[in-house]
Amino acid sequence: GQNIDQPTEMTATEGAIVQINCTYQTSGFNGLFWYQQHAGEAPTFLSYNVLDGLEEKGRFSSFLSRSKGYSYLLLKELQMKDSASYLCAALSNFGNEKLTFGTGTRLTIIP
Amino acid sequence: EAQVTQNPRYLITVTGKKLTVTCSQNMNHEYMSWYRQDPGLGLRQIYYSMNVEVTDKGDVPEGYKVSRKEKRNFPLILESPSPNQTSLYFCASSLSGLVNTEAFFGQGTRLTVV
Repeated sequence: GQNIDQPTEMTATEGAIVQINCTYQTSGFNGLFWYQQHAGEAPTFLSYNVLDGLEEKGRFSSFLSRSKGYSYLLLKELQMKDSASYLCAALSNFGNEKLTFGTGTRLTIIP
Repeated sequence: EAQVTQNPRYLITVTGKKLTVTCSQNMNHEYMSWYRQDPGLGLRQIYYSMNVEVTDKGDVPEGYKVSRKEKRNFPLILESPSPNQTSLYFCASSLSGLVNTEAFFGQGTRLTVV
C-alpha cells in the first residue's frame, strides 16, 4: 500500500526560508510531486522529482532521496502569498499510474 | 485559455437522488481523474482514465461511476448519493499519464448530501 506523511501545520516569517518534509512508502515508486493549494482553490503544480537530488525552480526547490523515502520542499524569500497548503504526492506505477497524496501541510507566513 | 472546467461549483442534494458532476478539458489531454478532498484525509483518488474508453478505480471508488466516451469529458456519477459523499471534488487532467507531467485541476465542486 501507500503511505505519505507530512507535518500538518507550519509557521514561518516573511523573508525567511522554510523546509517542508515528506516521507513516503509506496510500491512501484515512479516520482514525487509537490502541489500548492490556496484555501478554497484548486491545487497547482510546483515540482516533480524522480531522481535523487535537488531541483531548483526560482524561490522553490524540491529534494528527493529514493533510498530514504524522503522528500522536502524548500521555499526561500518567503512572501505573504506563500501562505497555503503544500501537498506531497507519490506516483506509483504497476501497469496503471496512481497518485497518492499526503494530507497536506498548511503553511502560515507571518510578517 | 487552457483549463479544466467542472460543473456545478456548488451542489446541495438529498440522499438517493442521482447526480452527475461534469468535467471537461480543452487541452487534448489523455489522462483524467477524479479526487475527493476531506479535512484530515487529503486528496483521495476516486477513478482515473488513461484514455478514451479506459477507466480504472482509484482508492475510494465505492458509490461512484465514471465514463470516458470522448477525450475531453470525464463525468462523475453518483447513482444514489449518501451523506458520507459530502465532500469537495476535483477533476484533473494531464497530457499523457502522470510521469514527469503536471496535472491541471478544475476549480472544484463542493457537494453536500443531506
